[in-house]
Amino acid sequence: NAGVTQTPKFRVLKTGQSMTLLCAQDMNHEYMYWYRQDPGMGLRLIHYSVGEGTTAKGEVPDGYNVSRLKKQNFLLGLESAAPSQTSVYFCASNLRGLTEKLFFGSGTQLSVL
Amino acid sequence: GNSVTQMEGPVTLSEEAFLTINCTYTATGYPSLFWYVQYPGEGLQLLLKATKADDKGSNKGFEATYRKETTSFHLEKGSVQVSDSAVYFCALNSGGGADGLTFGKGTHLIIQP
Repeated sequence: NAGVTQTPKFRVLKTGQSMTLLCAQDMNHEYMYWYRQDPGMGLRLIHYSVGEGTTAKGEVPDGYNVSRLKKQNFLLGLESAAPSQTSVYFCASNLRGLTEKLFFGSGTQLSVL
Repeated sequence: GNSVTQMEGPVTLSEEAFLTINCTYTATGYPSLFWYVQYPGEGLQLLLKATKADDKGSNKGFEATYRKETTSFHLEKGSVQVSDSAVYFCALNSGGGADGLTFGKGTHLIIQP
């Protein structure tokens, strides 16, 4: 059982480049989330999704877009990367109504130069 | 809005010492409270939880009691081990909403042999 899988694990971008982070879960979870983790800031919610075809903004959505075309996948896109987006990104998922059973991926470390 | 405040780190202790990591919260209603642990290079894992006032969550020798009167959920362990070195996050969820958990900034715990 793979759980929540994030790809890639590491990436270095130049300012202005674009990229997509992929999150895949094999637990049939309805809810999926993208967080970013920065030193001294903890985890902050970027976007989330309550089901296939639906997304919503979290606390820090600017500069990011997301898509949930398939229930098992949640994509996070950076159209024009900025150094302020250097961070560790975590995907998480849970069954509807069971936030206490939130499963996390192992993270993507992104550096924007 | 919801918020979680944790003691600043890093916290450095010797093996077998007593551990307390303070956590206080602000939330509407009656939130569920959680402690997550993040080992180096990994995603967050649920350590323990409490869903109502006076509940005590426990796991792997760690304990935390939901104190509504002081809006606190302090993490304790009687005798820490080197393997407990990690970052610990206090979090809350008010009402099982789809927007996930609100996390504290995290406390880095370092246990020295």
